[in-house]
Amino acid sequence: QSVLTQPPSVSGAPGQRVTISCTGTSSNIGAGYDVHWYQQLPGTSPKLLIYGDNNRPSGVPDRFSGSKSGTSASLAITGLQAEDEADYYCQSFDSSLSGSYVFGSGTKVTVL
Amino acid sequence: QVHLVQSGPEVKRPGASVRVTCKASGYIFTTNGINWVRQAPGQGLEWLGWISGYNGNTLYAENFQGRLTMTTDTSTNTAYMELRNLRSEDTAMYFCARVAGIAVGEIDYWGQGSLVTVSS
Repeated sequence: QSVLTQPPSVSGAPGQRVTISCTGTSSNIGAGYDVHWYQQLPGTSPKLLIYGDNNRPSGVPDRFSGSKSGTSASLAITGLQAEDEADYYCQSFDSSLSGSYVFGSGTKVTVL
Repeated sequence: QVHLVQSGPEVKRPGASVRVTCKASGYIFTTNGINWVRQAPGQGLEWLGWISGYNGNTLYAENFQGRLTMTTDTSTNTAYMELRNLRSEDTAMYFCARVAGIAVGEIDYWGQGSLVTVSS
């Protein structure tokens, strides 16, 4: 059972905009901890897509953007492309117990 | 260029232990932390723990307290993850992953993964 909740799947046609939500609680996202997003293509290791809520590492297209409000965060993909078909995970830090990294449950993006 | 190269696949019996190695290169090992994350077949990412590359301080996920040990060897820039008393549910791909800074933060580089299979 993941601490951060994501929709299992989202889909869109090429060129469309899709968003993925990541819902947490007052001990993680709501406490102000940064949210990061990772893309995992089939059979590969995850790749950092967004860090610090809304920052893109060098090389990540500006079609990807992140936002955060309250206890939730979102990843938006605009101009959806076939190569965006992958699993996406949000990640933050949780201050409960002795502290821990927490991942979202993951969202499969399908390009129709 | 940052690289994290992990050890090969392992097959273990229930109750056994496994040690996965992660050799880092391309950066100063002591300036970053290392996370260990696993992914069971067809499942999502699960965080196991974090170790400081600077002083070896650790933070373990509650679910693995008492079964998990993480260490580093700064002379060889290598991180180690040992999981004991293995169960079938521990079958997964285990990733080492570099934290962007010395403390907690985003993971900017991942190893290729080490498949651990637990089967009688």
